[in-house]
Amino acid sequence: ETAVFQTPNYHVTQVGNEVSFNCKQTLGHDTMYWYKQDSKKLLKIMFSYNNKQLIVNETVPRRFSPQSSDKAHLNLRIKSVEPEDSAVYLCASSLGQGRNTLYFGAGTRLSVL
Amino acid sequence: QQKVQQSPESLIVPEGGMASLNCTFSDRNSQYFWWYRQHSGEGPKALMSIFSNGDKKEGRFTAHLNKASLYVSLHIKDSQPSDSALYFCAGASSGSWQLIFGSGTQLTVMP
Repeated sequence: ETAVFQTPNYHVTQVGNEVSFNCKQTLGHDTMYWYKQDSKKLLKIMFSYNNKQLIVNETVPRRFSPQSSDKAHLNLRIKSVEPEDSAVYLCASSLGQGRNTLYFGAGTRLSVL
Repeated sequence: QQKVQQSPESLIVPEGGMASLNCTFSDRNSQYFWWYRQHSGEGPKALMSIFSNGDKKEGRFTAHLNKASLYVSLHIKDSQPSDSALYFCAGASSGSWQLIFGSGTQLTVMP
């Protein structure tokens, strides 16, 4: 049963454009994440956010920024996309951190032409 | 930075056979481990968690953890075609914000 919803499923854009992806979770979790899955299927953490703290993976380029209106929503904005941003972006949520299981959405596939 | 060695990269087993997947973690602070499964077009889904040394069995799936060597494994008994998917191990330390994933094992179960 899906409880982490991502939109859109796919997005095609051109280099230099701005894009925004949405994520909503209905699990009542307090922590949300964005992961990037590249063409080799590797999963890399980008951000972790709860209502107290945003943690950014230091390797994430500054053109990426998370945006949250409440603990159930965490969007991802990319200013001026580049070809290497083509990937699947996966949103996840958990109840706290550490020993808590992550629940993922189906992902947004971004293609940058 | 945590490094995770996952093997094999790909695995083909016959229907009804046993599939075995392995991971070794580098961070001595790692305490919590999971196996996730990702079917094509979907997000990863947690299959099992294991936090204590030894074996944990859930149906056809058995996870094993050796904390001293930071080694986890997953064994799938009586494999079914529906088990064909990408499998990831993942680990986290206490209070950590990061769940670090292995590179994945592509499992194919042939009917």
